[in-house]
Amino acid sequence: AQSVTQLDSQVPVFEEAPVELRCNYSSSVSVYLFWYVQYPNQGLQLLLKYLSGSTLVESINGFEAEFNKSQTSFHLRKPSVHISDTAEYFCAVRRSNTGFQKLVFGTGTRLLVSP
Amino acid sequence: DGGITQSPKYLFRKEGQNVTLSCEQNLNHDAMYWYRQDPGQGLRLIYYSQIVNDFQKGDIAEGYSVSREKKESFPLTVTSAQKNPTAFYLCASSWAWGSNQPQHFGDGTRLSIL
Repeated sequence: AQSVTQLDSQVPVFEEAPVELRCNYSSSVSVYLFWYVQYPNQGLQLLLKYLSGSTLVESINGFEAEFNKSQTSFHLRKPSVHISDTAEYFCAVRRSNTGFQKLVFGTGTRLLVSP
Repeated sequence: DGGITQSPKYLFRKEGQNVTLSCEQNLNHDAMYWYRQDPGQGLRLIYYSQIVNDFQKGDIAEGYSVSREKKESFPLTVTSAQKNPTAFYLCASSWAWGSNQPQHFGDGTRLSIL
């Protein structure tokens, strides 16, 4: 079975500073990896995903994540955060087999951006 | 615009009462899911359905029931057997086949006990 670990429950950072949100996964088979963002009292929105190919994936709002197979990690980074990035971020993993596969979520990291 | 609609946004349950949370999607997705979110625990899967008239238990199905009579609808009933129902409930949908397809989420229903 797959599992996801997000060690940091909360990450405080000042506006315009860089940030890294850590995600490690455990799986004996190949996986697809996802980052979702959740703003207060809303559902989750897909931020970016790694399926195959280039190990560095980017979102439209400046976030990027790098798939590292040897370290089983998929950390999320942004070089300069904004107040509006304050939200909870969830890493998720799914087996890359064909057919139906469940999505397994981490416990989330709350990013708090202050002026 | 295509999306997932959950209603109501807030719901209150009395002791011993069953309540039903609505989830409707117009994305033409085959698969639908119900998750429970508690602070510090992430999302836990309650039930999922890959196709109409078929559904499977997730990791925490006890005290919950679902139906899937129409492709676009997947209501969740929180029964009186669920002793700790206070949580944020999220519905999602996706294409059933192809594990590279992301899930799309509704805006959730917050359930509290009176």
